[in-house]
Amino acid sequence: QVQLQESGPGLVKPSETLSLTCTVSGGSISSYYWSWIRQPPGKGLEWIGYIYYSGSTNYNPSLKSRVTISVDTSKNQFSLKLSSVTAADTAVYYCARILDYYDSSGYLVGYFDYWGQGTLVTVSS
Amino acid sequence: SSELTQDPAVSVALGQTVRITCQGDSLRSYYASWYQQKPGQAPVLVIYGKNNRPSGIPDRFSGSSSGNTASLTITGAQAEDEADYYCNSRDSSGNRWVFGGGTKLTVL
Repeated sequence: QVQLQESGPGLVKPSETLSLTCTVSGGSISSYYWSWIRQPPGKGLEWIGYIYYSGSTNYNPSLKSRVTISVDTSKNQFSLKLSSVTAADTAVYYCARILDYYDSSGYLVGYFDYWGQGTLVTVSS
Repeated sequence: SSELTQDPAVSVALGQTVRITCQGDSLRSYYASWYQQKPGQAPVLVIYGKNNRPSGIPDRFSGSSSGNTASLTITGAQAEDEADYYCNSRDSSGNRWVFGGGTKLTVL
């Protein structure tokens, strides 16, 4: 059973950089896409970006200028850095695995099958 | 377009059938997946692909799609189904992901 666990500071000061790590256990980080998703208090889910185990990335255009996602296959971890944070970045941050394949009809199927429990990051001085 | 639109709230009587919908241009090209989220918990995948349920998800949950609309149907809703439901898919570029705004389901 694959398990994901987010870790990092729960409090970040405005204008600083938010840094989180997701540790994958029960399976290899190789051959999959891995993603960060966040949820401000009382609001909906927002996709932040993903990384392939080889290191290729793609980000939400609304956050792209401030986001960096990296991977460390030797530690079975991937990480999120979000720079110049403001109170609007206060949220529960989730890491998740993306499963991607073509079905029998030739259509691309993709979904987030495993999620971490989430970690609340508060931006405040 | 990179948006998925859901009704903010839906209610259903215990034991009845409810449909939660998700609209977006990208759904003409890509499947939606659906996630159930209860208060204080991480989202849980309930439907993916054409109409697939992960192990452990009751068969009262089903999915369908037509044109730019994907639907999640709960046949015989139970009290434990009261939760927020989010649809998700790729955006029209196929390279990024987007979530719907979520639907709060109340079981009466």
